[in-house]
Amino acid sequence: DQQVKQNSPSLSVQEGRISILNCDYTNSMFDYFLWYKKYPAEGPTFLISISSIKDKNEDGRFTVFLNKSAKHLSLHIVPSQPGDSAVYFCAASDSNTGNQFYFGTGTSLTVIP
Amino acid sequence: ETGVTQSPTHLIKTRGQQVTLRCSSQSGHNTVSWYQQALGQGPQFIFQYYREEENGRGNFPPRFSGLQFPNYSSELNVNALELDDSALYLCASSPRLTGSSYEQYFGPGTRLTVT
Repeated sequence: DQQVKQNSPSLSVQEGRISILNCDYTNSMFDYFLWYKKYPAEGPTFLISISSIKDKNEDGRFTVFLNKSAKHLSLHIVPSQPGDSAVYFCAASDSNTGNQFYFGTGTSLTVIP
Repeated sequence: ETGVTQSPTHLIKTRGQQVTLRCSSQSGHNTVSWYQQALGQGPQFIFQYYREEENGRGNFPPRFSGLQFPNYSSELNVNALELDDSALYLCASSPRLTGSSYEQYFGPGTRLTVT
């Protein structure tokens, strides 16, 4: 039962353009969402998070948008850089239980110089 | 500040054997979670330890067990290894438990191959 889904396994974007990575979830109790970036042979690195009391959180080139009614979140990277090429995972949790994060299957982003 | 470390980096075991993986949490973090990441999949939650007690478990059989020590480091033990246990095992630490939102910080993982 995949409660967090990333339906695009891969995405290619030209350097300098916007990258948009999407994530859908099914559990309405999820109230905390994170994006992680993963390079080969490394563990996931925390990128940005958003609580369900917000619909947008911005950190430099990275912005996460949350649409609770659609159970959808997205990560925008502007402008995209070749160093952003990695696998991106979204994750969700119910902070009332707090102890389990559900991850999507990841989207492999390639930024073309 | 030292990050999350895991050992060993790689491990090859035979079906039926037992394995122990180790994790040192980030300084100041009292909560450790373990995840299994199969090829092409996202990390799957195995269990979490908080102050040496198991606090939450995913859909994994009892042959997956763990420990957390007073210094908050942790072990993952897997008995009776099966071929499907071949995966990247990730440890993540965090500073708080329930009732608040927090991010988890991951180690580099242990690549386990069962033959």
